[in-house]
Amino acid sequence: DAKTTQPPSMDCAEGRAANLPCNHSTISGNEYVYWYRQIHSQGPQYIIHGLKNNETNEMASLIITEDRKSSTLILPHATLRDTAVYYCIVRAYNTDKLIFGTGTRLQVFP
Amino acid sequence: ETGVTQTPRHLVMGMTNKKSLKCEQHLGHNAMYWYKQSAKKPLELMFVYNFKEQTENNSVPSRFSPECPNSSHLFLHLHTLQPEDSALYLCASSQTPSYADTQYFGPGTRLTVL
Repeated sequence: DAKTTQPPSMDCAEGRAANLPCNHSTISGNEYVYWYRQIHSQGPQYIIHGLKNNETNEMASLIITEDRKSSTLILPHATLRDTAVYYCIVRAYNTDKLIFGTGTRLQVFP
Repeated sequence: ETGVTQTPRHLVMGMTNKKSLKCEQHLGHNAMYWYKQSAKKPLELMFVYNFKEQTENNSVPSRFSPECPNSSHLFLHLHTLQPEDSALYLCASSQTPSYADTQYFGPGTRLTVL
């Protein structure tokens, strides 16, 4: 699986957009980008995933660069409940596992 | 609520005890997983089941014994554990093990081994 690099921590003011970056420069053409988050001591929560095109759902938007070497997760209006560790995961076609790194700890403040 | 439930949510056991963790998914999925998350470490995959058959054992010690009686239920039987086995144990499910299918996680069981 391609390695991902995320900043260890970020802050965001409540009500503002939170933009979480992820670098995956060794990604292959058939590998998906998945985003999960984990609120303290709870199970990881699926947010969104994509292959090449930008994706949007009720939780977030995923912007993938044209060369696919990086992506950004956007939470359009962050709330205090969005405080969590966010994981960017690149998943290869021949694997059944999710390989979690250390993620980005997002702190949303009032 | 993800459709994946785990019981118990918290468990304290001695090193000589035998206990079991239970996972149930209400999503109609065919693949189920056990993950382990130790303090300050990333999640680690332990076992994968697809249509009740174990398809992956990620070098897990034999004191952890999984059981999958049907596609909706998954158990993790524990015996003679060590204090370093204290961790959050997470169950997940997906339609298939394919990389294109999203895995949904339960809330986890916080295990403490004394």
